[in-house]
Amino acid sequence: ETGVTQTPRHLVMGMTNKKSLKCEQHLGHNAMYWYKQSAKKPLELMFVYNFKEQTENNSVPSRFSPECPNSSHLFLHLHTLQPEDSALYLCASSQAANTEAFFGQGTRLTVV
Amino acid sequence: AQSVTQLDSQVPVFEEAPVELRCNYSSSVSVYLFWYVQYPNQGLQLLLKYLSGSTLVESINGFEAEFNKSQTSFHLRKPSVHISDTAEYFCAVRGLTGANNLFFGTGTRLTVIP
Repeated sequence: ETGVTQTPRHLVMGMTNKKSLKCEQHLGHNAMYWYKQSAKKPLELMFVYNFKEQTENNSVPSRFSPECPNSSHLFLHLHTLQPEDSALYLCASSQAANTEAFFGQGTRLTVV
Repeated sequence: AQSVTQLDSQVPVFEEAPVELRCNYSSSVSVYLFWYVQYPNQGLQLLLKYLSGSTLVESINGFEAEFNKSQTSFHLRKPSVHISDTAEYFCAVRGLTGANNLFFGTGTRLTVIP
């Protein structure tokens, strides 16, 4: 039990579908993150939220839309994705800027 | 911004042999350094971290890493590996100032051979 829970664990979607990834943290942290993990590449930071406010958007395409309704929940809304978006999407949280991040188990996304 | 280089993408090693996984970083500010481990179909778990103080940090399962500021390195070592250490290991860096970004290397696949 890592304290950060992601659902679903696996998702297969067509390029015209709309789906959402969910992340929930039970650690009382004030920052949450979305990372993309593709084979042979470093983890790519996608979005950062501090106290529910988005503070980072690393040039992520608009077909990825984050939502942070409160400090415990983070969503990633997906629409009109491309096959190259297939990857492991990891959610993480941390208490403050200068501490370690705690990760969920990830959602394995396959776009067909 | 910061960046991390893990030169070895794969490291095979026999059981009970020592291992070193290399990590070098680049940053214009002082940094915090981390090693994470990822087992198959799992998220990342923190293995150990350097924030300040002693440059040698240890994990509960026998790994250690040494922060070397002059060489901008944070190599991970274990004197005797076990089969259960087979996993992907990621080095990460975060600046003391600036954004909350945690920058990762490309990872090193450690395979322990019986």
